[in-house]
Amino acid sequence: SQQGEEDPQALSIQEGENATMNCSYKTSINNLQWYRQNSGRGLVHLILIRSNEREKHSGRLRVTLDTSKKSSSLLITASRAADTASYFCASGRGNTPLVFGKGTRLSVIA
Amino acid sequence: DAGVTQSPTHLIKTRGQQVTLRCSPKSGHDTVSWYQQALGQGPQFIFQYYEEEERQRGNFPDRFSGHQFPNYSSELNVNALLLGDSALYLCASSSPPGLEETQYFGPGTRLLVL
Repeated sequence: SQQGEEDPQALSIQEGENATMNCSYKTSINNLQWYRQNSGRGLVHLILIRSNEREKHSGRLRVTLDTSKKSSSLLITASRAADTASYFCASGRGNTPLVFGKGTRLSVIA
Repeated sequence: DAGVTQSPTHLIKTRGQQVTLRCSPKSGHDTVSWYQQALGQGPQFIFQYYEEEERQRGNFPDRFSGHQFPNYSSELNVNALLLGDSALYLCASSSPPGLEETQYFGPGTRLLVL
């Protein structure tokens, strides 16, 4: 069974708006990673946040982590049509297997 | 610097057949993990190879087996294919323990079992 759960399952926004996706996990982690997947192709690594970090930025991406609530959020600012994809969070401990949720399908309408 | 590569990109097999999928890790990586992603689902961990040995295994039957070669490339073999084995198979590579924690994924092999 999958440990992580993303919320919402699907999100549709207009270009230029911000998109927020949430992720919950069940066990203790060393890090949490966010990936993007376009049309059922390979996963592209977006950002990794460690368990001792609360917030991290990368370009238009902002990730937060709340270990007390076992949750994380991914914010994409000023979205573009090219951001249309599925987004997955994955929890990990070092080189152990990543545990993925079912993902959030984001549609950005031009 | 080539990233993770996988071959073939697509494959069609019939029930009962056997299939072999291949993966070459990112330069400098020595650990390879395989994941299965069914349509509409997140990837599920199959197994991980390090130093040519299976180090960890997920909840998959023995029909799924693998191998890692001295150059760190890896193969995933599936015997006695079932319709339910139709999925996107993803390979991920990572660096030795204690270094970078990110796992980098290849483009995947889409397997269709008829």
